[in-house]
Amino acid sequence: NAGVTQTPKFRVLKTGQSMTLLCAQDMNHEYMYWYRQDPGMGLRLIHYSVGEGTTAKGEVPDGYNVSRLKKQNFLLGLESAAPSQTSVYFCASSYLLTYNEQFFGPGTRLTVL
Amino acid sequence: AQSVSQHNHHVILSEAASLELGCNYSYGGTVNLFWYVQYPGQHLQLLLKYFSGDPLVKGIKGFEAEFIKSKFSFNLRKPSVQWSDTAEYFCAVTSDTGRRALTFGSGTRLQVQP
Repeated sequence: NAGVTQTPKFRVLKTGQSMTLLCAQDMNHEYMYWYRQDPGMGLRLIHYSVGEGTTAKGEVPDGYNVSRLKKQNFLLGLESAAPSQTSVYFCASSYLLTYNEQFFGPGTRLTVL
Repeated sequence: AQSVSQHNHHVILSEAASLELGCNYSYGGTVNLFWYVQYPGQHLQLLLKYFSGDPLVKGIKGFEAEFIKSKFSFNLRKPSVQWSDTAEYFCAVTSDTGRRALTFGSGTRLQVQP
């Protein structure tokens, strides 16, 4: 099993450009999450999904959109990137009945110039 | 809303020293508690978790944590640290209901000197 994978690993954008980060999991997990990690702030939840076709906002959703068309994939989109979105983005997934233990992907380091 | 506080932002220890990292949470209901570790350049890995039962939980690599409900604390301990324990440590909490997402503390950077 690959677990949770993320593409790309690194990306540099100019202000105003758009991009999509892809998260894939092969553990048949119902729940999937996108977090961002910033120095001194831990990880903060951007959006999450409790199942295929459903998404919901987390703590810091502004400027991001998500989609979960297939159970194994969770996409995070930036429609118009801003320097404040420079961060490391982590995807995670969890199985409904395992008391919320989450498995994390390797992260995507995004720089917005 | 739940929150997590990690008061030690940066800890420097010598090898073989004992470690205790503080974690306090605020949430009135039933919680699940976690410690994750992030080694340099790597993704988060689960160290240990508490759901119910014995408040002293043991994790991987010799780490343990004690849940003290009356103090809303879940401190991480290790009797003797190694250079390879250099990493950032995150305490996290989630509840049994709702979105089940983790609320993280701000992290503690541990540096172990040989």
